[in-house]
Amino acid sequence: KQEVTQIPAALSVPEGENLVLNCSFTDSAIYNLQWFRQDPGKGLTSLLLIQSSQREQTSGRLNASLDKSSGRSTLYIAASQPGDSATYLCAVAGGGADGLTFGKGTHLIIQP
Amino acid sequence: NAGVTQTPKFRVLKTGQSMTLLCAQDMNHEYMYWYRQDPGMGLRLIHYSVGEGTTAKGEVPDGYNVSRLKKQNFLLGLESAAPSQTSVYFCASRGLAGRNYFGAGTRLSVL
Repeated sequence: KQEVTQIPAALSVPEGENLVLNCSFTDSAIYNLQWFRQDPGKGLTSLLLIQSSQREQTSGRLNASLDKSSGRSTLYIAASQPGDSATYLCAVAGGGADGLTFGKGTHLIIQP
Repeated sequence: NAGVTQTPKFRVLKTGQSMTLLCAQDMNHEYMYWYRQDPGMGLRLIHYSVGEGTTAKGEVPDGYNVSRLKKQNFLLGLESAAPSQTSVYFCASRGLAGRNYFGAGTRLSVL
């Protein structure tokens, strides 16, 4: 059974810092990996999608990398802003139509 | 462009009552999913569908039923609600290249 772990569970940093969120998964046979953002009381917003054949994806200040063989992904946030405060979720998809397996998230607070 | 729409947004039930949660997507996606999100547990898959008229069990299907009579709609039913079903329920659809799109969620309390 696939298991996804996110470290750290919570992180509080001053505005302007670059930071890295970590995600690891136990079964390397994944179809893709997706990073989401969730604001309190809200739904999930897709940030980045990395296919199993890709090494990284970038969107603005966000960069996600994937090392499938070692079962790891990182989300890099450059020049953090208070508006980046949210919970960040990592999720992997296996083959076929199966749904996503989620980590429990990293709760991020950016201090002004 | 609505994407994935869930109704209702909030609901309070008494133990033993029944209800149906509706998910509608306007992206013509074949695959649709129902998840629940609980503190400390993360999101877990309840049921999913790979197309109109199909359904399949996920990780935590007990106490729930689903139907996909139309491609754009995926219904989640609770026949006899229990306090353990107090949760936030999310619907998702999956598009090209496997990207998943989520609704805003339904907050359900069972007293």
